[in-house]
Amino acid sequence: GNSVTQMEGPVTLSEEAFLTINCTYTATGYPSLFWYVQYPGEGLQLLLKATKADDKGSNKGFEATYRKETTSFHLEKGSVQVSDSAVYFCALSVSGNQFYFGTGTSLTVIP
Amino acid sequence: DAEITQSPRHKITETGRQVTLACHQTWNHNNMFWYRQDLGHGLRLIHYSYGVQDTNKGEVSDGYSVSRSNTEDLPLTLESAASSQTSVYFCASRPGQGGDEQYFGPGTRLTVT
Repeated sequence: GNSVTQMEGPVTLSEEAFLTINCTYTATGYPSLFWYVQYPGEGLQLLLKATKADDKGSNKGFEATYRKETTSFHLEKGSVQVSDSAVYFCALSVSGNQFYFGTGTSLTVIP
Repeated sequence: DAEITQSPRHKITETGRQVTLACHQTWNHNNMFWYRQDLGHGLRLIHYSYGVQDTNKGEVSDGYSVSRSNTEDLPLTLESAASSQTSVYFCASRPGQGGDEQYFGPGTRLTVT
């Protein structure tokens, strides 16, 4: 079946620290992979995506590389800011229209 | 600008009452989805639609129904609200498949007392 597993939170980092949020997936077929971000009281917004193996998605200093060999799509940022505090969701989409979401990882960045 | 809206943003209702949550998108997307978000569970799919007159059950559809009479709207109805349905509900739409993203509404916080 299709599923996404992402690292448990919450994660607390100091400003300017390096961030990694792990995401691995199981999929039938060839999925597209996504990272969404949810700020307090808001809906989910697309942060980045990758549609085929070895693609790297990037946005706002965040990056993730689609690794087919390890079935992973880990989110990284070199230097986090307080404004990055949010919940991050990894997701996949295979043939058809459904998305499969991870359980979310809460990030708090302290000054 | 095109957008997706949900109403109400907050709702308190009593057990056993029927409740309808509205979702409206102006992108003209064929695909629309309803999710609920609960701590520890992430987002769980309730119902989805691939076009007018099409509806499908998701992972947690019991106690919920949807109808799709036009492209823009996918209302979610709780037939007889239960305390277990207290949650935050998100509507989303998507233009197509594959690498297309889903666009989310701002959410409705529903409390069933």
